[in-house]
Amino acid sequence: IAGITQAPTSQILAAGRRMTLRCTQDMRHNAMYWYRQDLGLGLRLIHYSNTAGTTGKGEVPDGYSVSRANTDDFPLTLASAVPSQTSVYFCASSIESGEKLFFGSGTQLSVL
Amino acid sequence: GNSVTQMEGPVTLSEEAFLTINCTYTATGYPSLFWYVQYPGEGLQLLLKATKADDKGSNKGFEATYRKETTSFHLEKGSVQVSDSAVYFCALSDRGGATNKLIFGTGTLLAVQP
Repeated sequence: IAGITQAPTSQILAAGRRMTLRCTQDMRHNAMYWYRQDLGLGLRLIHYSNTAGTTGKGEVPDGYSVSRANTDDFPLTLASAVPSQTSVYFCASSIESGEKLFFGSGTQLSVL
Repeated sequence: GNSVTQMEGPVTLSEEAFLTINCTYTATGYPSLFWYVQYPGEGLQLLLKATKADDKGSNKGFEATYRKETTSFHLEKGSVQVSDSAVYFCALSDRGGATNKLIFGTGTLLAVQP
């Protein structure tokens, strides 16, 4: 099935725990992105990668890290989760940066 | 910096009513403009886009015209349906520097009642 797969769909996490959100795409898109969606704030870019092997910081990168070892995978890691990281996280990809984005179905994360 | 401002919701309409969701932007240069739609429980998907001034994007009965003079990209539809109920996001492509990332507005919830 072509598209973007995110896992898990939802997660409840204790504060201080480490968590990795997974994102895989099979469209061979060069660019990938992580956004968080919060009520009243819309989508805010956390990190992005224009091509495999490179990453960059978005609008709200603190407390998050990413890696892009290959074209298909773009995991997002919370090293030590805090309650303010409770959000819905969307992974997205595009053929090239700035072009049409394709979104995954999201991960609902609750940090208690 | 570049930014997008869109009207706050929720917008509640009856079926077959006319829809306008306002969107204005601030940008240096000439960004591309987008409308994305998010149906309940799903990720966002592109609805329409316009890449230069006076371009009109259209899809599924929705339209938006890139107005450089008013820095606007308002979304319109002549007759909404219950199935149009969703959250609508205006966005622009930030071509500053080496990152062509999208900047989104805060979203507008549309609820269409039968």
